[in-house]
Amino acid sequence: SQTIHQWPATLVQPVGSPLSLECTVEGTSNPNLYWYRQAAGRGLQLLFYSVGIGQISSEVPQNLSASRPQDRQFILSSKKLLLSDSGFYLCAWNPFGTVRDQPQHFGDGTRLSIL
Amino acid sequence: GQQLNQSPQSMFIQEGEDVSMNCTSSSIFNTWLWYKQDPGEGPVLLIALYKAGELTSNGRLTAQFGITRKDSFLNISASIPSDVGIYFCAGQGGNTGFQKLVFGTGTRLLVSP
Repeated sequence: SQTIHQWPATLVQPVGSPLSLECTVEGTSNPNLYWYRQAAGRGLQLLFYSVGIGQISSEVPQNLSASRPQDRQFILSSKKLLLSDSGFYLCAWNPFGTVRDQPQHFGDGTRLSIL
Repeated sequence: GQQLNQSPQSMFIQEGEDVSMNCTSSSIFNTWLWYKQDPGEGPVLLIALYKAGELTSNGRLTAQFGITRKDSFLNISASIPSDVGIYFCAGQGGNTGFQKLVFGTGTRLLVSP
């Protein structure tokens, strides 16, 4: 069966520091991968998605970037964090190349607090 | 970004009561999904709907894909305390583009024993 892992679960960082959040998927090949941010008590906002290694699409202009160095690895980064980057970051995946839309499945998230 | 209109925003009910929430959109979707999110965790898929008019059940949960493809509802029967959480609808496909999800604003459910 497929599983998705995110780490760390919680992170506290000072303003201006760099960021690296990692997401990996097991049990599948060539998945679509997604990064979302969720503000407290709000819905999910899509930040980036990837349909293959090295292929990244950005949904909103922001202080963050994403990379996909390996098939089942998706990384969210920043060179200098802002206070507004605080939030709950979720990684998700679904199968690639199917005729019918496949539901996305989510990791347990990383809670990021910027001080 | 685009969000679906989900109502009610929150509900506080007694254990054993039935619950109904719905989601509407100005855009059509090919797929409607319902997720539940517990505090500090990622959303978990409850029900997926793939055809207009489709009615699907998962235990005490029942969801329907609206005929116009612009709305969906979720019912929970005989609620229990572990139903507490935030419920999100999400639309996929249609006019939103490849495999992207558009989420509702969420319904926070509280159940008193």
